[in-house]
Amino acid sequence: GAVVSQHPSRVICKSGTSVKIECRSLDFQATTMFWYRQFPKQSLMLMATSNEGSKATYEQGVEKDKFLINHASLTLSTLTVTSAHPEDSSFYICSANGLAGSIDTQYFGPGTRLTVL
Amino acid sequence: RKEVEQDPGPFNVPEGATVAFNCTYNNSASQSFFWYRQDCRKEPKLLMSVYSSGNEDGRFTAQLNRASQYISLLIRDSKLSDSATYLCVVKGGQGFSFIFGKGTRLLVKP
Repeated sequence: GAVVSQHPSRVICKSGTSVKIECRSLDFQATTMFWYRQFPKQSLMLMATSNEGSKATYEQGVEKDKFLINHASLTLSTLTVTSAHPEDSSFYICSANGLAGSIDTQYFGPGTRLTVL
Repeated sequence: RKEVEQDPGPFNVPEGATVAFNCTYNNSASQSFFWYRQDCRKEPKLLMSVYSSGNEDGRFTAQLNRASQYISLLIRDSKLSDSATYLCVVKGGQGFSFIFGKGTRLLVKP
């Protein structure tokens, strides 16, 4: 239980293009999903908290107009990196707050490795 | 003081050794506690929850000390495959948010 998928797993794009990443909870409904970014050898950095049917809450320093988050259903949240630049290259990981057995915690997707040329 | 604090390590231990990590938190209203494991270039995966009474899962033992506001993870008989970064996670307080520690890196060597 509590499986989270993420698509695509890897993307390479040109500078200036937009990239959409999907995060799905496969066997549970997630009212809350989270988006993280992780640079090599660094810790997870929370970018935003996404609640179904409402606007995402962004962490300080994360541009909401650059990182568009949509959480239209209880099983799907999307992150769109708009006008991507090389400094946006990173490992983007989503997680969903769900219940597996009796454990109510975050379950992570496998991540998306973004490379902007 | 950071909300959740961990020694970044790395902890270098030989195979078969016992190793323990601590994690401190500063919000006494925290309600749930977890240990996650993250392998290099992979996503974090839930290792175990931490209960007030302490809990054990095979070679792993987790304990919670609410009075001193820390949780611990003990790994017995370390295996090479235990090499990873261990993340301490605390949930609770305002908004029932999850707070992740920055992780403790463990390297188990032959």
